[in-house]
Amino acid sequence: DGGITQSPKYLFRKEGQNVTLSCEQNLNHDAMYWYRQDPGQGLRLIYYSQIVNDFQKGDIAEGYSVSREKKESFPLTVTSAQKNPTAFYLCASSPGTGGFGYTFGSGTRLTVV
Amino acid sequence: DAKTTQPNSMESNEEEPVHLPCNHSTISGTDYIHWYRQLPSQGPEYVIHGLTSNVNNRMASLAIAEDRKSSTLILHRATLRDAAVYYCILSVPCPPEPTDSWGKLQFGAGTQVVVTP
Repeated sequence: DGGITQSPKYLFRKEGQNVTLSCEQNLNHDAMYWYRQDPGQGLRLIYYSQIVNDFQKGDIAEGYSVSREKKESFPLTVTSAQKNPTAFYLCASSPGTGGFGYTFGSGTRLTVV
Repeated sequence: DAKTTQPNSMESNEEEPVHLPCNHSTISGTDYIHWYRQLPSQGPEYVIHGLTSNVNNRMASLAIAEDRKSSTLILHRATLRDAAVYYCILSVPCPPEPTDSWGKLQFGAGTQVVVTP
């Protein structure tokens, strides 16, 4: 079945370390997105990509980086510059037609220890 | 971007209907209204969307006011599995040229639905 796979489900990071969260989709979607969710809050957009080899900053891109070398993959790196990285991270994809047909992964919970 | 306003929480008894309101008084003529829901510790899932006419699917119904300044998501018979946060979101459909608001869903805090047995 088609879907989005995020890994790992749980991730622990020491302060000062970079970590990379994986997101893979087999839906043949053009667009992919990364969101961050803090407890009791809605989702905030970090980065998004409309096509391969292109991506744009969302509302809270500072301290994060992404790449889009393949259509299926959109990894997110949380760098040491991100001051408060502990959060629930969600990846999504869509066919690329203006907000329709979003499919979300099951998320990665990142904790800084 | 147009914003939406939803109540923080709503309670319902099992097997009774749930009406979730959403205000979007600054909606533009081309904005679609989307509803997603998020179960605990999971990613959001699509529920329904509409533009002007009321919409029905197997999950829910969407009633859109004639002036489009508000809408209501209707869960016809709430079950315990419907307990989730429900998000009402506006989006701009794909314009001829990419813009800052293209294809992005901006999530608010949503409405927490509590279903009581």
